[in-house]
Amino acid sequence: DTAVSQTPKYLVTQMGNDKSIKCEQNLGHDTMYWYKQDSKKFLKIMFSYNNKELIINETVPNRFSPKSPDKAHLNLHINSLELGDSAVYFCASSQGQGIGYGYTFGSGTRLTVV
Amino acid sequence: DAKTTQPNSMESNEEEPVHLPCNHSTISGTDYIHWYRQLPSQGPEYVIHGLTSNVNNRMASLAIAEDRKSSTLILHRATLRDAAVYYCILQGAQKLVFGQGTRLTINP
Repeated sequence: DTAVSQTPKYLVTQMGNDKSIKCEQNLGHDTMYWYKQDSKKFLKIMFSYNNKELIINETVPNRFSPKSPDKAHLNLHINSLELGDSAVYFCASSQGQGIGYGYTFGSGTRLTVV
Repeated sequence: DAKTTQPNSMESNEEEPVHLPCNHSTISGTDYIHWYRQLPSQGPEYVIHGLTSNVNNRMASLAIAEDRKSSTLILHRATLRDAAVYYCILQGAQKLVFGQGTRLTINP
């Protein structure tokens, strides 16, 4: 059983399109995150949700909109995709408020905008 | 976010212990020390974390200096599967802030 699963694994799309990435965790964790890893391999946090409530929004363009229908799911919708959005997006989850607990990451979604 | 300093790269041999250092001189009293690793084409993987005392688990040991300004991740017997980028992270808020990490190469 995959603890944190993301779909799709690969996504190739044209500039200007709108796309969504889905994430689900079966660990019973309260907090979920989206991270972006760019071509230089830096991992940066984008958003975090605790029990469906937005906790962190790290100066991400408003073309990116996270949605958490329940605490086991955190989806990422991206409008008007740009070339610079090409990256690997990782979903993660942790217990409680996330402080003092380990994070479990998904295997990533590689987004390529052409 | 408090900063950590790690060597860019390290090399070790298979079946030998590996000590990965991390300096965090600006750590505050409530910051947790986390270690994650990322194997090629995979997501980051939790290794270990601690606050003040040394910690052991099935993957590794974490040795924390008495003043908490540095820590060392110890892999007791490296295998080729341990080749990865290892990140040392201070967590004081509800997020992990990743640095550049140490790229660990294991020689057969």
